[in-house]
Amino acid sequence: DTEVTQTPKHLVMGMTNKKSLKCEQHMGHRAMYWYKQKAKKPPELMFVYSYEKLSINESVPSRFSPECPNSSLLNLHLHALQPEDSALYLCASSRLLAEQETQYFGPGTRLLVL
Amino acid sequence: GEDVEQSLFLSVREGDSSVINCTYTDSSSTYLYWYKQEPGAGLQLLTYIFSNMDMKQDQRLTVLLNKKDKHLSLRIADTQTGDSAIYFCAEADFNKFYFGSGTKLNVKP
Repeated sequence: DTEVTQTPKHLVMGMTNKKSLKCEQHMGHRAMYWYKQKAKKPPELMFVYSYEKLSINESVPSRFSPECPNSSLLNLHLHALQPEDSALYLCASSRLLAEQETQYFGPGTRLLVL
Repeated sequence: GEDVEQSLFLSVREGDSSVINCTYTDSSSTYLYWYKQEPGAGLQLLTYIFSNMDMKQDQRLTVLLNKKDKHLSLRIADTQTGDSAIYFCAEADFNKFYFGSGTKLNVKP
């Protein structure tokens, strides 16, 4: 089973709202990732967790707040977003945080900020 | 390992072979990947190749790696309309993936 699940599938929020994106995997992977993908562009890395600790933060604005409550779950908390934050948010996981480890992607959450 | 380039579009007829090309700059990359993304969906891993290999075949997919020229290609034999998607190559460098811009493959019936 190489499945990464994400909820919700679609999300519409106003600039004053607070919402959360969820990602889950049960493959025993210890590295999890958040990517942001704008239309017709490649995914851009936002955050990486390894063994539930934040390893990489790609200078993401503080209105995005990641959380890894356990080894299977990864959340992305959203607050006071801007319309330009509208994008597809992809979660991925890999067995370990290492270059030879394949990343498996979830289906994404399509976010629209009004 | 941050410069990964692909041509943006490819159009083929159903039943033909498709060849999607990718160039990268980091010669220390040890793994190179191909992902497929259908409209509105996440990225699906198609295949990957280790840098000490020249070729890898997996059913209709053939990956060729020219390490000297830092050139990677994905050949899809007998292309079907269901293969229409965006194809991303990616190189793995330390803890990060660097994706190409993606090639949109259009398969005409």
